Amino acid sequence: GNSVTQMEGPVTLSEEAFLTINCTYTATGYPSLFWYVQYPGEGLQLLLKATKADDKGSNKGFEATYRKETTSFHLEKGSVQVSDSAVYFCALSPPGSSNTGKLIFGQGTTLQVKP
Amino acid sequence: DTGVSQNPRHKITKRGQNVTFRCDPISEHNRLYWYRQTLGQGPEFLTYFQNEAQLEKSRLLSDRFSAERPKGSFSTLEIQRTEQGDSAMYLCASTAGQAVYTDTQYFGPGTRLTVL
Repeated sequence: GNSVTQMEGPVTLSEEAFLTINCTYTATGYPSLFWYVQYPGEGLQLLLKATKADDKGSNKGFEATYRKETTSFHLEKGSVQVSDSAVYFCALSPPGSSNTGKLIFGQGTTLQVKP
Repeated sequence: DTGVSQNPRHKITKRGQNVTFRCDPISEHNRLYWYRQTLGQGPEFLTYFQNEAQLEKSRLLSDRFSAERPKGSFSTLEIQRTEQGDSAMYLCASTAGQAVYTDTQYFGPGTRLTVL
């Protein structure tokens, strides 16, 4: 079946540190891959996405590359800020004519950035 | 766009009572999803509507759960005879277009249900 596995948190970093949050997936075919972010007290919002192998999604200094060979979509940022503190969710949407675009999420990774 | 709205934002109920949640999607979004999120977990898919048609239901959606989307606009999710295990955040998301699995979903703030 389809599933997403994220590294466990919380991840605690100092401001300006490099961030990596690992995400691997299991799916049939070539799913679309997403990173959603949930800031404290707010709803889920899309951070970035990639819809085919080797695509790189990027937004707000965050990047992730769709790696089919390793079934991974790791999230990276070169220099985190306190305002990046949030919960990050990796998700996939399975392809296929019978699929409805539903998202399958990982369990989330909490990022805490200290000044 | 005013975004996806959900009401109520919080609901506390006693075990065995019925509850109903409402979702108003972004105007003209023809596709609508319901998810459930428990503490420390990612959202889990419950059901999907394309316009007014309910096209997919998860096995998580027991017969105590029912969802509707009359006229393809707002949607309601009803839980009958609530159980403590139903306590969770219920999320609604909407999107438009035909690409389906490549589209971005826009989420509402959620309704937090607590069953005592």
